[in-house]
Amino acid sequence: EPEVTQTPSHQVTQMGQEVILRCVPISNHLYFYWYRQILGQKVEFLVSFYNNEISEKSEIFDDQFSVERPDGSNFTLKIRSTKLEDSAMYFCASSEGTGAYGYTFGSGTRLTVV
Amino acid sequence: AQSVTQLGSHVSVSEGALVLLRCNYSSSVPPYLFWYVQYPNQGLQLLLKYTSAATLVKGINDFEAEFKKSETSFHLTKPSAHMSDAAEYFCAVSDRREYGNKLVFGAGTILRVKS
Repeated sequence: EPEVTQTPSHQVTQMGQEVILRCVPISNHLYFYWYRQILGQKVEFLVSFYNNEISEKSEIFDDQFSVERPDGSNFTLKIRSTKLEDSAMYFCASSEGTGAYGYTFGSGTRLTVV
Repeated sequence: AQSVTQLGSHVSVSEGALVLLRCNYSSSVPPYLFWYVQYPNQGLQLLLKYTSAATLVKGINDFEAEFKKSETSFHLTKPSAHMSDAAEYFCAVSDRREYGNKLVFGAGTILRVKS
């Protein structure tokens, strides 16, 4: 069964450093998403991406965050200057179409900012 | 704005007993509804989804959920719990826009299965 692949599975970074989280969505999917889950809290939407542009973003997704699909297969989330409160599990997801198709999630990247 | 409420952050059942995880949603129009399961240190796996048609939805591992519009509920059930069902379960909702539908998640319910 097709999978969404995320790398790395764990990343530790110092506060103020830039991090890039990588995702390879399912190849025929058209819609891409990032979510995050702070330890002990609910999964929160960050951003959705379609046709090489952001289609929606949450209030969490401020100027420190950016997304890119650099080569037609990878989908990346960049955090420019990490803060302690960015520590969380970050999930990438993709979908074939509208919500009726469902969403396939990756296994996540656990980001720890020290 | 859409929202999801999962009643009970922790549910404990005996092996072989009925599993009932509650989910209520708030939406101005009938949404799409989903249940996801998360095993420790793993990602979110889709259990089942409601998109229109039948109100009783069957999913993987004998889970099912019933969409009740009058109660704005989408409770998850399984007739007989197995030890391997121990995990965290998330109810989620998305709207019916043409594309780019984000998911709004509930807070999750941790299911414990006692032997």
